[in-house]
Amino acid sequence: DVKVTQSSRYLVKRTGEKVFLECVQDMDHENMFWYRQDPGLGLRLIYFSYDVKMKEKGDIPEGYSVSREKKERFSLILESASTNQTSMYLCATATGFKNIQYFGAGTRLSVL
Amino acid sequence: SQKIEQNSEALNIQEGKTATLTCNYTNYSPAYLQWYRQDPGRGPVFLLLIRENEKEKRKERLKVTFDTTLKQSLFHITASQPADSATYLCALDKEDSNYQLIWGAGTKLIIKP
Repeated sequence: DVKVTQSSRYLVKRTGEKVFLECVQDMDHENMFWYRQDPGLGLRLIYFSYDVKMKEKGDIPEGYSVSREKKERFSLILESASTNQTSMYLCATATGFKNIQYFGAGTRLSVL
Repeated sequence: SQKIEQNSEALNIQEGKTATLTCNYTNYSPAYLQWYRQDPGRGPVFLLLIRENEKEKRKERLKVTFDTTLKQSLFHITASQPADSATYLCALDKEDSNYQLIWGAGTKLIIKP
């Protein structure tokens, strides 16, 4: 079974803090994704990566950056957290044409 | 731009009945469509994928149909059980992308004993 592990289930941060969300997968998948999920809006893609050191912006990249130094690890960085970044953050991996995505358990981030 | 619509209202079904969820899309002809289940506070879990040239796909008590003329997919759970209560998301491949999916907001299904 694919295992996607997100470093924290819950995080509380203050406005202006730098926040790191980590995601690690154990199945050698090429593609990794960061989404945020808000009620009624569905999953919105922040960034994705299709290879080590490669990244592409998704639909809502503003205020975020990412890092993929190793194939198994994809980090999401909030440079200066703001209250409108309070959300559920989901990491996913995928491989192959079918693009079936495997998700971590999610990190619920609250920015106060 | 591509758009997916799922019924935002919760669907209440009596245990044992068939639950049917709808996913409508516009402005695109996707190569495939996927359904996922999401439990509260957890990430989505893949259930089924159906390709544009497939009319129907089954997996145990689950059945998905794909009508490219109506631009609609239906997701059925037969002999529903309280354990089937969850939010169900549909997703389709994004036009001009080898990697991205477009996601519906999901429909919450409640199976009453």
